[in-house]
Amino acid sequence: DIQMTQSPSSVSASVGDRVTITCRASQGISSWLAWYQQKPGKAPKLLIYAASSLQSGVPSRFSGSGSGTDFTLTISSLQPEDFATYYCQQANSFPVTFGGGTKVEIK
Amino acid sequence: EVQLVESGGGLVQPGGSLRLSCAASGFTFSAYSMNWVRQAPGRGLEWVSYISSSSSSIYYADSVKGRFTISRDNAKNSLYLQFNSLRDEDTAVYYCARDQGGYSPRNFDYWGQGTLVTVSS
Repeated sequence: DIQMTQSPSSVSASVGDRVTITCRASQGISSWLAWYQQKPGKAPKLLIYAASSLQSGVPSRFSGSGSGTDFTLTISSLQPEDFATYYCQQANSFPVTFGGGTKVEIK
Repeated sequence: EVQLVESGGGLVQPGGSLRLSCAASGFTFSAYSMNWVRQAPGRGLEWVSYISSSSSSIYYADSVKGRFTISRDNAKNSLYLQFNSLRDEDTAVYYCARDQGGYSPRNFDYWGQGTLVTVSS
């Protein structure tokens, strides 16, 4: 199985900050990577797929990059509604696997 | 509007059985593959199972293989997950999720609200 490792596990940031979350796959997955946002008590929401493609309706302050084993999710200017937990997910092969999550908290 | 609504969760004893349902609307259900994803309390996301649009391809996580069965009824726009031999560690919120498909398979673009399954004596 492909292991997905996210870092950091949590980050404290202020409104307007630039936030970067990294995700590493245990083996190459080309660009088969997605990012999700989850708020407490809610279902996850797809933000980015194919490593860098923005899902319809997602604000342009979210961006993704990377290929192979190393990927990043960047929020260019953090907004109040962005405080949440973010997960990466490899879509290269079954079993699909998720990273452990990164909680973005208010500083 | 795409909607996925899970039902059937509840309290069940270890070793017991349960069946979850997911009612789909707002899209052509028979054209999309579907998945179940779970989340234990306070934990991260874990993919559970996948079924293709025609049910011809099915995959399971190793943790549930042989105990859970995914199925679908395209005439009823419904997805199911049958649990057998439930364990304490199966306690989680279970989400049904639509596979984005096309050039982006194995991405989950719509999710239900989730249903809680609690395994406890």
